[in-house]
Amino acid sequence: GAVVSQHPSRVICKSGTSVKIECRSLDFQATTMFWYRQFPKKSLMLMATSNEGSKATYEQGVEKDKFLINHASLTLSTLTVTSAHPEDSSFYICSARDFRPGSGNTIYFGEGSWLTVV
Amino acid sequence: DAKTTQPPSMDCAEGRAANLPCNHSTISGNEYVYWYRQIHSQGPQYIIHGLKNNETNEMASLIITEDRKSSTLILPHATLRDTAVYYCIVRATDKLIFGTGTRLQVFP
Repeated sequence: GAVVSQHPSRVICKSGTSVKIECRSLDFQATTMFWYRQFPKKSLMLMATSNEGSKATYEQGVEKDKFLINHASLTLSTLTVTSAHPEDSSFYICSARDFRPGSGNTIYFGEGSWLTVV
Repeated sequence: DAKTTQPPSMDCAEGRAANLPCNHSTISGNEYVYWYRQIHSQGPQYIIHGLKNNETNEMASLIITEDRKSSTLILPHATLRDTAVYYCIVRATDKLIFGTGTRLQVFP
Protein backbone atom coordinates (compact mmCIF):
# COMPACT_ATOMS: atom_id res chain seq x y z
CA GLY A 1 0.00 0.00 0.00
CA ALA A 2 0.88 3.65 -0.28
CA VAL A 3 3.42 4.90 2.22
CA VAL A 4 3.15 8.55 1.20
CA SER A 5 -0.31 10.03 0.81
CA GLN A 6 -1.48 13.37 -0.55
CA HIS A 7 -4.73 15.22 -0.09
CA PRO A 8 -6.67 16.40 -1.95
CA SER A 9 -6.10 14.44 -5.12
CA ARG A 10 -7.91 17.11 -7.12
CA VAL A 11 -8.83 20.67 -6.26
CA ILE A 12 -10.32 23.54 -8.18
CA CYS A 13 -9.98 27.03 -6.78
CA LYS A 14 -10.79 30.52 -7.89
CA SER A 15 -8.08 32.87 -9.04
CA GLY A 16 -6.76 34.94 -6.14
CA THR A 17 -7.54 32.42 -3.44
CA SER A 18 -5.14 30.13 -1.59
CA VAL A 19 -5.17 26.37 -1.57
CA LYS A 20 -3.42 23.91 0.72
CA ILE A 21 -2.11 20.49 -0.27
CA GLU A 22 -1.13 17.95 2.37
CA CYS A 23 1.56 15.29 2.19
CA ARG A 24 1.64 12.61 4.85
CA SER A 25 4.08 9.83 5.53
CA LEU A 26 2.14 6.79 6.66
CA ASP A 27 3.54 4.74 9.54
CA PHE A 28 6.95 6.37 9.38
CA GLN A 29 8.53 9.65 10.28
CA ALA A 30 10.00 11.90 7.65
CA THR A 31 12.17 14.78 8.74
CA THR A 32 12.56 15.77 5.12
CA MET A 33 10.03 15.77 2.34
CA PHE A 34 10.24 17.12 -1.18
CA TRP A 35 7.72 18.94 -3.33
CA TYR A 36 7.59 18.75 -7.10
CA ARG A 37 5.34 20.16 -9.77
CA GLN A 38 4.66 18.74 -13.17
CA PHE A 39 3.10 20.34 -16.23
CA PRO A 40 1.33 18.21 -18.84
CA LYS A 41 3.70 16.05 -20.87
CA LYS A 42 6.67 17.39 -18.96
CA SER A 43 8.94 15.85 -16.37
CA LEU A 44 8.80 16.50 -12.63
CA MET A 45 10.44 19.68 -11.47
CA LEU A 46 11.73 19.92 -7.91
CA MET A 47 10.31 22.94 -6.12
CA ALA A 48 11.56 22.74 -2.57
CA THR A 49 12.80 20.66 0.32
CA SER A 50 10.52 20.62 3.33
CA ASN A 51 12.40 20.37 6.63
CA GLU A 52 10.63 19.41 9.85
CA GLY A 53 10.92 22.17 12.40
CA SER A 54 12.74 24.60 10.14
CA LYS A 55 12.32 26.65 7.01
CA ALA A 56 11.94 25.02 3.65
CA THR A 57 14.71 25.24 1.11
CA TYR A 58 13.51 26.42 -2.30
CA GLU A 59 15.00 25.67 -5.67
CA GLN A 60 16.17 28.52 -7.83
CA GLY A 61 13.31 30.33 -9.49
CA VAL A 62 10.61 29.09 -7.10
CA GLU A 63 8.84 31.91 -5.24
CA LYS A 64 8.87 31.15 -1.53
CA ASP A 65 6.11 33.66 -0.81
CA LYS A 66 3.96 32.06 -3.46
CA PHE A 67 4.47 28.47 -2.42
CA LEU A 68 4.41 28.30 1.38
CA ILE A 69 5.70 25.07 2.86
CA ASN A 70 5.11 24.04 6.46
CA HIS A 71 6.53 20.85 7.95
CA ALA A 72 5.02 21.06 11.40
CA SER A 73 5.23 17.40 12.34
CA LEU A 74 7.31 14.38 11.45
CA THR A 75 4.54 12.95 9.29
CA LEU A 76 3.00 15.99 7.65
CA SER A 77 4.17 18.62 5.20
CA THR A 78 1.83 21.12 3.60
CA LEU A 79 2.17 23.18 0.45
CA THR A 80 0.02 26.28 0.23
CA VAL A 81 -0.31 28.00 -3.11
CA THR A 82 -1.11 31.59 -2.23
CA SER A 83 -3.04 34.00 -4.43
CA ALA A 84 -3.37 31.31 -7.03
CA HIS A 85 -3.49 32.18 -10.71
CA PRO A 86 -4.34 30.01 -13.71
CA GLU A 87 -0.64 29.54 -14.48
CA ASP A 88 -0.29 27.78 -11.11
CA SER A 89 -2.52 25.01 -12.39
CA SER A 90 -0.36 21.91 -12.30
CA PHE A 91 0.19 18.48 -10.82
CA TYR A 92 1.90 18.74 -7.42
CA ILE A 93 3.71 15.73 -5.98
CA CYS A 94 5.60 15.08 -2.75
CA SER A 95 8.15 12.47 -1.74
CA ALA A 96 9.79 11.12 1.41
CA ARG A 97 12.31 8.45 2.30
CA ASP A 98 11.16 5.47 4.32
CA PHE A 99 13.91 4.62 6.80
CA ARG A 100 12.07 1.78 8.50
CA PRO A 101 13.92 -1.56 8.77
CA GLY A 102 13.15 -3.69 5.78
CA SER A 103 12.10 -0.77 3.61
CA GLY A 104 15.38 -0.60 1.77
CA ASN A 105 15.50 3.14 2.52
CA THR A 106 13.27 3.64 -0.47
CA ILE A 107 12.08 7.08 -1.55
CA TYR A 108 8.35 7.04 -2.13
CA PHE A 109 6.13 9.52 -3.89
CA GLY A 110 2.60 10.54 -3.14
CA GLU A 111 -0.27 10.04 -5.55
CA GLY A 112 -0.11 13.67 -6.62
CA SER A 113 -2.57 16.53 -6.40
CA TRP A 114 -4.11 18.17 -9.43
CA LEU A 115 -4.66 21.88 -8.97
CA THR A 116 -6.85 23.80 -11.37
CA VAL A 117 -7.17 27.54 -10.91
CA VAL A 118 -10.13 29.10 -12.68
CA ASP B 1 25.10 15.40 -9.98
CA ALA B 2 25.47 12.73 -12.61
CA LYS B 3 23.41 13.22 -15.73
CA THR B 4 21.48 10.35 -17.22
CA THR B 5 20.63 9.66 -20.84
CA GLN B 6 17.65 7.54 -21.82
CA PRO B 7 16.00 6.87 -25.16
CA PRO B 8 12.84 8.96 -25.45
CA SER B 9 10.62 6.04 -26.36
CA MET B 10 10.52 2.27 -26.73
CA ASP B 11 8.00 -0.35 -27.75
CA CYS B 12 7.63 -3.83 -26.36
CA ALA B 13 5.29 -6.70 -27.15
CA GLU B 14 3.15 -7.96 -24.33
CA GLY B 15 4.70 -10.97 -22.63
CA ARG B 16 8.19 -10.16 -23.83
CA ALA B 17 10.99 -8.73 -21.76
CA ALA B 18 11.38 -4.95 -21.81
CA ASN B 19 14.97 -3.79 -21.51
CA LEU B 20 15.30 -0.09 -20.76
CA PRO B 21 18.81 1.34 -20.98
CA CYS B 22 20.28 4.28 -19.10
CA ASN B 23 23.67 5.90 -19.51
CA HIS B 24 25.26 7.66 -16.55
CA SER B 25 28.90 7.95 -17.50
CA THR B 26 29.69 10.65 -14.90
CA ILE B 27 28.31 8.72 -11.93
CA SER B 28 30.16 9.14 -8.65
CA GLY B 29 31.08 6.35 -6.28
CA ASN B 30 28.41 7.22 -3.72
CA GLU B 31 25.56 7.76 -6.15
CA TYR B 32 22.76 5.25 -6.40
CA VAL B 33 20.86 4.36 -9.55
CA TYR B 34 17.10 4.69 -9.05
CA TRP B 35 14.32 3.66 -11.38
CA TYR B 36 10.80 5.01 -11.12
CA ARG B 37 7.90 4.93 -13.48
CA GLN B 38 4.96 7.21 -13.90
CA ILE B 39 1.65 6.12 -15.28
CA HIS B 40 -0.47 8.92 -16.62
CA SER B 41 -1.88 11.25 -13.97
CA GLN B 42 -0.27 9.40 -11.07
CA GLY B 43 2.70 10.00 -8.81
CA PRO B 44 5.96 8.21 -9.66
CA GLN B 45 6.07 4.58 -8.59
CA TYR B 46 9.27 3.16 -7.14
CA ILE B 47 10.65 0.21 -9.08
CA ILE B 48 14.15 -0.58 -7.90
CA HIS B 49 17.48 0.95 -6.97
CA GLY B 50 21.09 -0.17 -6.66
CA LEU B 51 24.62 0.98 -6.04
CA LYS B 52 27.00 -1.55 -7.56
CA ASN B 53 25.44 -4.98 -7.59
CA ASN B 54 22.62 -6.19 -9.77
CA GLU B 55 19.29 -6.13 -8.00
CA THR B 56 16.04 -7.99 -8.46
CA ASN B 57 12.65 -7.62 -6.87
CA GLU B 58 9.11 -8.61 -7.68
CA MET B 59 8.77 -5.89 -10.27
CA ALA B 60 12.03 -5.85 -12.17
CA SER B 61 15.75 -6.49 -12.38
CA LEU B 62 18.44 -3.85 -12.44
CA ILE B 63 21.68 -4.63 -14.20
CA ILE B 64 24.54 -2.20 -13.53
CA THR B 65 27.71 -2.48 -15.59
CA GLU B 66 30.95 -3.10 -13.76
CA ASP B 67 32.20 0.42 -14.44
CA ARG B 68 28.78 1.75 -13.30
CA LYS B 69 28.54 3.99 -16.34
CA SER B 70 25.32 2.45 -17.55
CA SER B 71 22.46 0.30 -16.36
CA THR B 72 19.48 -1.59 -17.73
CA LEU B 73 16.08 -2.03 -16.19
CA ILE B 74 14.48 -5.32 -17.14
CA LEU B 75 10.77 -6.01 -16.93
CA PRO B 76 10.79 -9.75 -17.53
CA HIS B 77 7.27 -10.18 -18.87
CA ALA B 78 5.80 -6.87 -19.91
CA THR B 79 2.06 -6.35 -19.65
CA LEU B 80 -0.15 -3.60 -21.00
CA ARG B 81 -0.19 -2.08 -17.52
CA ASP B 82 3.56 -1.52 -17.75
CA THR B 83 2.97 1.22 -20.31
CA ALA B 84 4.41 4.30 -18.62
CA VAL B 85 7.28 6.77 -18.57
CA TYR B 86 10.33 5.23 -16.93
CA TYR B 87 12.85 7.46 -15.19
CA CYS B 88 16.45 6.55 -14.43
CA ILE B 89 17.90 8.81 -11.74
CA VAL B 90 21.42 8.88 -10.36
CA ARG B 91 21.70 10.51 -6.99
CA ALA B 92 23.47 10.43 -3.65
CA THR B 93 20.80 12.26 -1.67
CA ASP B 94 17.04 12.12 -1.25
CA LYS B 95 16.58 15.07 -3.60
CA LEU B 96 15.82 13.22 -6.82
CA ILE B 97 16.16 15.16 -10.06
CA PHE B 98 14.08 13.85 -12.93
CA GLY B 99 15.11 13.84 -16.57
CA THR B 100 12.77 13.25 -19.49
CA GLY B 101 12.66 9.47 -19.13
CA THR B 102 11.70 6.74 -21.59
CA ARG B 103 8.12 6.35 -22.68
CA LEU B 104 7.53 2.60 -22.86
CA GLN B 105 4.59 1.45 -24.92
CA VAL B 106 3.57 -2.17 -24.46
CA PHE B 107 1.42 -3.43 -27.30
CA PRO B 108 -0.78 -6.55 -27.54
